[in-house]
Amino acid sequence: EAGVAQSPRYKIIEKRQSVAFWCNPISGHATLYWYQQILGQGPKLLIQFQNNGVVDDSQLPKDRFSAERLKGVDSTLKIQPAKLEDSAVYLCASSLGAGTIQETQYFGPGTRLLVL
Amino acid sequence: QQQVKQSPQSLIVQKGGISIINCAYENTAFDYFPWYQQFPGKGPALLIAIRPDVSEKKEGRFTISFNKSAKQFSLHIMDSQPGDSATYFCAASLQVNYGGSQGNLIFGKGTKLSVKP
Repeated sequence: EAGVAQSPRYKIIEKRQSVAFWCNPISGHATLYWYQQILGQGPKLLIQFQNNGVVDDSQLPKDRFSAERLKGVDSTLKIQPAKLEDSAVYLCASSLGAGTIQETQYFGPGTRLLVL
Repeated sequence: QQQVKQSPQSLIVQKGGISIINCAYENTAFDYFPWYQQFPGKGPALLIAIRPDVSEKKEGRFTISFNKSAKQFSLHIMDSQPGDSATYFCAASLQVNYGGSQGNLIFGKGTKLSVKP
């Protein structure tokens, strides 16, 4: 079974530039998550999708971050404009999405972003 | 109240020894406690998880001990091997649909484990 795919793996940009990350979840997984993992810390949820609808974006800095999940499969996360403090690893995860119990989340390898 | 506090920050253990990582939480509504293992350059992967209706769960060399009254849980790695060297994260989540929760995970800050040969 193929895992969660993410691209690019690394990205270096200057502050105030924009950047986009792509995620392809495990086939058949209805729930998709984007996490931000700052160096030395645990992942922090940014946004959760159930199929193509947002179910939790309470911790997404909406003035600069946006995300979409077209057709309930792939997802993109965008930052515009980027700040120095956005330097982190952006992790995508997916789960089956039965909706009634906590489920195993399968993580992708992440995109490491450095903002200069 | 939504935090999960993890210790130690780093841990060095000799091959064959026991590694112990501890986590504490405040919110008594948490009802799912997984541990994730993360190797450099990789995403976290679920190692083992427990719910508060049991006090211990064992899978191979990995055991979770859960103390509901103390609001603490810990990961024990028996016969630690160099291949276990990684960063370990504890996490907790609310029950799905509890107070509008989607069962999202709240992670600790991680423990970097090094197992010396």
